[in-house]
Amino acid sequence: ILNVEQSPQSLHVQEGDSTNFTCSFPSSNFYALHWYRWETAKSPEALFVMTLNGDEKKKGRISATLNTKEGYSYLYIKGSQPEDSATYLCAFIPPLRSGNTGKLIFGQGTTLQVKP
Amino acid sequence: DAGVTQSPTHLIKTRGQQVTLRCSPKSGHDTVSWYQQALGQGPQFIFQYYEEEERQRGNFPDRFSGHQFPNYSSELNVNALLLGDSALYLCASSPGLRAYNEQFFGPGTRLTVL
Repeated sequence: ILNVEQSPQSLHVQEGDSTNFTCSFPSSNFYALHWYRWETAKSPEALFVMTLNGDEKKKGRISATLNTKEGYSYLYIKGSQPEDSATYLCAFIPPLRSGNTGKLIFGQGTTLQVKP
Repeated sequence: DAGVTQSPTHLIKTRGQQVTLRCSPKSGHDTVSWYQQALGQGPQFIFQYYEEEERQRGNFPDRFSGHQFPNYSSELNVNALLLGDSALYLCASSPGLRAYNEQFFGPGTRLTVL
């Protein structure tokens, strides 16, 4: 069974704080990792697709790093704003040799609340 | 350009009934995946359709079945509904079967089984 764990489960920060969360996945079975942001009453929205060890991706104030050898990815938000309030999901894709064609294995998510 | 659409948005059924959920993929996308999100959990993969065939399946019983039409839209059918089938059902589309393609999600269908 392939398990993806996210921590913390929830986070409350003040506007302007920087924050980060963790996604842990099986290091021995890796093909790609996706990060999604899911705002209440909206559809999950892709943030990053990461495939290579050492990958660093950035979109505005949000960035992510990937360590496939130890099986984790960090998502950072610099200077959090109220509009960053959402659930952040990571999704792991095991290697194609296992017959996978894009099946996403999701963590349970980290819910971020940014107070003005 | 319309994104992924799903219908209906909400649905209430009773145990033992059957339900059909519908999904239209983003324009240009030919691959559709379905996910179930129960309360407090991340989305769980149900199955994926490409070229009108089921290409991959998660750990869901045969009561869950699907179909993809020539226009790439898809249906998810659940027979003999159980209380535990109450969840948000998400549809996601992507261009082709490459595993690293980002998937575009619809807003989901909230199914309540009484």
